Amino acid sequence: AQSVTQPDIHITVSEGASLELRCNYSYGATPYLFWYVQSPGQGLQLLLKYFSGDTLVQGIKGFEAEFKRSQSSFNLRKPSVHWSDAAEYFCAVGTPSGTYKYIFGTGTRLKVLA
Amino acid sequence: DVKVTQSSRYLVKRTGEKVFLECVQDMDHENMFWYRQDPGLGLRLIYFSYDVKMKEKGDIPEGYSVSREKKERFSLILESASTNQTSMYLCASSSSGAGDNSPLHFGNGTRLTVT
Repeated sequence: AQSVTQPDIHITVSEGASLELRCNYSYGATPYLFWYVQSPGQGLQLLLKYFSGDTLVQGIKGFEAEFKRSQSSFNLRKPSVHWSDAAEYFCAVGTPSGTYKYIFGTGTRLKVLA
Repeated sequence: DVKVTQSSRYLVKRTGEKVFLECVQDMDHENMFWYRQDPGLGLRLIYFSYDVKMKEKGDIPEGYSVSREKKERFSLILESASTNQTSMYLCASSSSGAGDNSPLHFGNGTRLTVT
């Protein structure tokens, strides 16, 4: 069965430090991969997506993610975190099967220390 | 820019009431979704619709129904609200494409409390 694992429930970093949020997926082929961010009291906003091609993808707000097929991972990174990045981050998988059933991870809540 | 609007940010209802959550999108998207978000459980799909009057059950449809009479509007109905349906409800839409490659556009959510 398809699944998405975000092993870190909470992460705390200092402002200006680098960030990496982990995401592992289970799927028989290469899925479509997404990262979303949810600020307090808001819905989810798409940060970036991977479908095919270059395994390093750039997104909004200075985020990037790297698809590693051998590790079934799609980790999100940012070189220098800003206080406004404090939010919850969700990794999601979509499949090329046309079922429209995206699978979401349980989320990682990021806290940024001033 | 795609806008998905959920009619209420907060709702408080009593056990046994019939509850309607409304969602409207303005980008002519074919697909619309209702998710439930609970701490530690992520987002779970309740129902989705890929066309007017069409609906498919998601992972947790029990206790819910949906209605899609117009392309832009997707309603979630709790036939008889129960306390275990207290949650954040998120509506989303996407355009049709090859498989699931169209990203979801979310509303701001409705936080429902059932007492």
